Amino acid sequence: DTGVSQNPRHKITKRGQNVTFRCDPISEHNRLYWYRQTLGQGPEFLTYFQNEAQLEKSRLLSDRFSAERPKGSFSTLEIQRTEQGDSAMYLCASSTPSGGFAGELFFGEGSRLTVL
Amino acid sequence: AQTVTQSQPEMSVQEAETVTLSCTYDTSESDYYLFWYKQPPSRQMILVIRQEAYKQQNATENRFSVNFQKAAKSFSLKISDSQLGDAAMYFCAYRILNDMRFGAGTRLTVKP
Repeated sequence: DTGVSQNPRHKITKRGQNVTFRCDPISEHNRLYWYRQTLGQGPEFLTYFQNEAQLEKSRLLSDRFSAERPKGSFSTLEIQRTEQGDSAMYLCASSTPSGGFAGELFFGEGSRLTVL
Repeated sequence: AQTVTQSQPEMSVQEAETVTLSCTYDTSESDYYLFWYKQPPSRQMILVIRQEAYKQQNATENRFSVNFQKAAKSFSLKISDSQLGDAAMYFCAYRILNDMRFGAGTRLTVKP
């Protein structure tokens, strides 16, 4: 296992189209996070899963955004009716329960979305 | 609301020298965790160092150390003997429970 994997790495789409990103966490990690990072800013929390349960959602996650983690393995983040303001890097991270809240988040390389 | 502020958008250091990156945070909580993450260009973020707020002793990881001032809500990162591979964006992060907040980052350039 080489770490957190995200696909696609880069997606260019036209405004109004739907896009879906996939995240494969490290296999033994039961916690999975999605963040959004815009140019010149730090990552902003979007949502968090523990196993298959989505336990927290940020107010940044409008109703055009939906995230799933069926069977507690990989996760998808779908954005419907994309807007130019959705252009950003979408980061996925995972962690294990060990270490509790001091535990490290392991990040993927991100999926960059460009909305034309 | 919890916020994290990195007041230095860019920093530069000569190879082999020491540099300190600043971070302040705002919280009303007493039990939390602080992290420094490194994001090299086009690569994923990796953990540099972490600090538990209840620990008074400053964390150290090889050439990286922190100066944690809880009362001042300050958490600076010191990089000693800087290397070319240290060039990256550095993000300070604050975590309570599952809520991890990041600062806007400091871009560190290392000059040979």
